[in-house]
Amino acid sequence: QQQVKQSPQSLIVQKGGISIINCAYENTAFDYFPWYQQFPGKGPALLIAIRPDVSEKKEGRFTISFNKSAKQFSLHIMDSQPGDSATYFCAARLGGNQFYFGTGTSLTVIP
Amino acid sequence: GAGVSQSPSNKVTEKGKDVELRCDPISGHTALYWYRQSLGQGLEFLIYFQGNSAPDKSGLPSDRFSAERTGGSVSTLTIQRTQQEDSAVYLCASSFTGTDTEAFFGQGTRLTVV
Repeated sequence: QQQVKQSPQSLIVQKGGISIINCAYENTAFDYFPWYQQFPGKGPALLIAIRPDVSEKKEGRFTISFNKSAKQFSLHIMDSQPGDSATYFCAARLGGNQFYFGTGTSLTVIP
Repeated sequence: GAGVSQSPSNKVTEKGKDVELRCDPISGHTALYWYRQSLGQGLEFLIYFQGNSAPDKSGLPSDRFSAERTGGSVSTLTIQRTQQEDSAVYLCASSFTGTDTEAFFGQGTRLTVV
């Protein structure tokens, strides 16, 4: 059973546009929600993360929006650039222990 | 080391052979994860180790797959009688236990079964 559901599977955005990736979860015991970015040939690396007591976190062009009541969270990439083209994974951590990852979104930003 | 180290980085093996993939986690990290990533696909959870607790093996796809973690540090993922569908990148990650802590990934081992 997929603990964290991620969509879309792939996304194509024009340069300068907004990229939006969504994730949903069921387990209310999750206490930490990171997003990872993976470039080809590399392992995923932490991009930005949020705790459930916060509704939004922004770091540069990257923003996480968190809706606790809906059990959903999303990554917004503003002013998307070709260098943002990568695979993005959302994740949720259970009680300070095990991470559960989404299935990933392949983002392509067209110049 | 400064990060999670995996070896080998690439492995080509013949169908039916056994392979061992190694992961050296970040020193002090109590949690260790193995994931499989097929070409262009997402992360498929394989196994999770946490301290001295019994590992969560719920993601292992068949009994040909096994993993161990010795001394709470280095981990080895073993695939017996490899099949072509085992070809993938195998990623290892480690983390501390506790809130606001991230998982750090290695570069992965690309396994090709011919």
